[in-house]
Amino acid sequence: EVQLVESGGGLIQPWGSLRLSCAASGFTLSDYSMSWVRQAPGKGLEWLSYISSSSSTIYYADSVKGRFTISRDNAQNSLFLQMTRLRAEDTAVYYCARVTTAAGPLDNWGQGTLVTVSS
Amino acid sequence: DIQMTQSPSTLSASVGDRVTITCRASQSISTWLAWYQQKPGKAPKLLIYKASNLESGVPSRFSGSGSGTEFTLTISSLHPDDFATYYCQQYNHYWTFGQGTKVEIK
Repeated sequence: EVQLVESGGGLIQPWGSLRLSCAASGFTLSDYSMSWVRQAPGKGLEWLSYISSSSSTIYYADSVKGRFTISRDNAQNSLFLQMTRLRAEDTAVYYCARVTTAAGPLDNWGQGTLVTVSS
Repeated sequence: DIQMTQSPSTLSASVGDRVTITCRASQSISTWLAWYQQKPGKAPKLLIYKASNLESGVPSRFSGSGSGTEFTLTISSLHPDDFATYYCQQYNHYWTFGQGTKVEIK
């Protein structure tokens, strides 16, 4: 069974940094591209970032470009999102998700981790 | 950037109703479109990919159609488990979600 488990969320002050992790199991992580998606409280879904299976291709949404960094460790079956210069509007549940094909839809999602940016 | 617009934002329906949700893209995305279902406090679930292909395990009462800029998700006969929020998503150029359509009990 495919499982994705996010961790690392919490309460952080504005301008702070946080690193999210996503532990993958039930499939071979190195065979898949991955993405991060977030959802602000009561709002819709926002795609944030994509990383190819070998980390050779990386994309970011404009809203996080220059502040967030996606990375992965296939040997450790893990995906990461390093978030810096956090703002109140970054408050959201952050999901990691598996990309079906090289750049396709997202077929498996974690349960999400809540990041709250507040002083 | 490609913008995705769903309508309606909220839909009130009864069990057994036929329900249709529309999604429009700001430019042509061929059939690079997916639909997701999300229930409160849960992660989204992939229902349909490439506009009309049913994800494994998804009931056949769900169907998708369209190409270019106009797409629809249809639930042929609404079940109690189908009350949720539905999102379209383009993956022609990066990934963009529609704002969501909440299907609520009438």
